[in-house]
Amino acid sequence: EVQLVESGGGLVQPGRSLKLSCVASGFTFSNYGMNWIRQAPGKGLEWVAYISSGSSYIYYAETVKGRFTISRDNAKNTLYLQMTSLRSEDTALYYCASHRVDYWGQGVMVTVSS
Amino acid sequence: DVVLTQTPPTLLATIGQSVSISCRSSQSLLHSNGNTYLNWLLQRTGQSPQPLIYLVSKLESGVPNRFSGSGSGTDFTLKISGVEAEDLGVYYCMQFTHYPFTFGSGTKLEIK
Repeated sequence: EVQLVESGGGLVQPGRSLKLSCVASGFTFSNYGMNWIRQAPGKGLEWVAYISSGSSYIYYAETVKGRFTISRDNAKNTLYLQMTSLRSEDTALYYCASHRVDYWGQGVMVTVSS
Repeated sequence: DVVLTQTPPTLLATIGQSVSISCRSSQSLLHSNGNTYLNWLLQRTGQSPQPLIYLVSKLESGVPNRFSGSGSGTDFTLKISGVEAEDLGVYYCMQFTHYPFTFGSGTKLEIK
């Protein structure tokens, strides 16, 4: 059974940092490009970042470029999202998802507030 | 960025009714490799999105065949032939032909 399990979310003050993790199982993680996608409360889906299977290709949404860093450890079947200089508008449920968005995690909530 | 315009924003349907959702792109989604990377997803309340259709018209494994996708270039359609109660939720189109990947604003399907 395919599973993507996110962790690392929580309440953080504006300007601070947070690192999300997504542990994959049930498929060959190292063969898949991966995305982070977020959803602000009551809003639609917003793509955040993509990393190719071997980390050669990385892309970001303009709204997070320069503040967020996507990375992965294929030996640990884990995807990461390092978030710095957090803003209130980054408050959202963050999902990890496979490149083709055929696999999704359950999401982890990030709340940026003083 | 590619803008995906979904219509209608809300759809009210009776059980058994056939409905369609439109997704129009601000530019062609035909990739240089010949594929068109347009997907459809359903998000039920309180759940993660689930995939329905990929590459415009290919049904994801386990998805009932009352769902179908069609279109090309900039105009795409998701059709549900005979809505069932479990189909309620928000439907999104998504493109990953061009970076940044983008989503439509969603169509909420409600059951009468």
